[in-house]
Amino acid sequence: DGGITQSPKYLFRKEGQNVTLSCEQNLNHDAMYWYRQDPGQGLRLIYYSQIVNDFQKGDIAEGYSVSREKKESFPLTVTSAQKNPTAFYLCARRQLIPNTEAFFGQGTRLTVV
Amino acid sequence: GDSVTQMEGPVTLSEEAFLTINCTYTATGYPSLFWYVQYPGEGLQLLLKATKADDKGSNKGFEATYRKETTSFHLEKGSVQVSDSAVYFCALTISNFGNEKLTFGTGTRLTIIP
Repeated sequence: DGGITQSPKYLFRKEGQNVTLSCEQNLNHDAMYWYRQDPGQGLRLIYYSQIVNDFQKGDIAEGYSVSREKKESFPLTVTSAQKNPTAFYLCARRQLIPNTEAFFGQGTRLTVV
Repeated sequence: GDSVTQMEGPVTLSEEAFLTINCTYTATGYPSLFWYVQYPGEGLQLLLKATKADDKGSNKGFEATYRKETTSFHLEKGSVQVSDSAVYFCALTISNFGNEKLTFGTGTRLTIIP
């Protein structure tokens, strides 16, 4: 799994409900990221975190929230304020040594029904 | 800000054809450059990387050279296979304390026909 696990793989949500996507890493990496990918589109950064109890907004943070209470966990909550939440969500981990690559989870496909 | 511009897709080639996917970047400082590949329904996998000017990254027959003078990192493969069909993303990162963003291009969908 490349040291990073996302769950569930598929998730269905009713309109108006909050839902939380899980992302766990077991390699003690400092940085974690959440991206959103829409069909045929690139990756857009939602939030990222470099240390425990700290995180920064990305380009499309509105309607999302995160927490980083433990180094290995970076859950993403999609709130009812997110108007168009149906998408593929990708979590990544990265060690904060200069110029290192990111490693991605397998993604969670969220569908609003 | 930092940005990555990729060749628009989709790209369709016949098996054994030569592949080039263009990637150019804008960045302050000295970025590291990456190519990732995404197969249907999966996350991204690192294909290759280069961390300084004139470095050549290579993997599975793919190559890309970090060209500082043209701010480019074009992906090439001499003879593509059907199994290379996927979406390819060019990306960069600059290590700058307090700003560890990864910036991605929009992706190029590649389809190889037998």
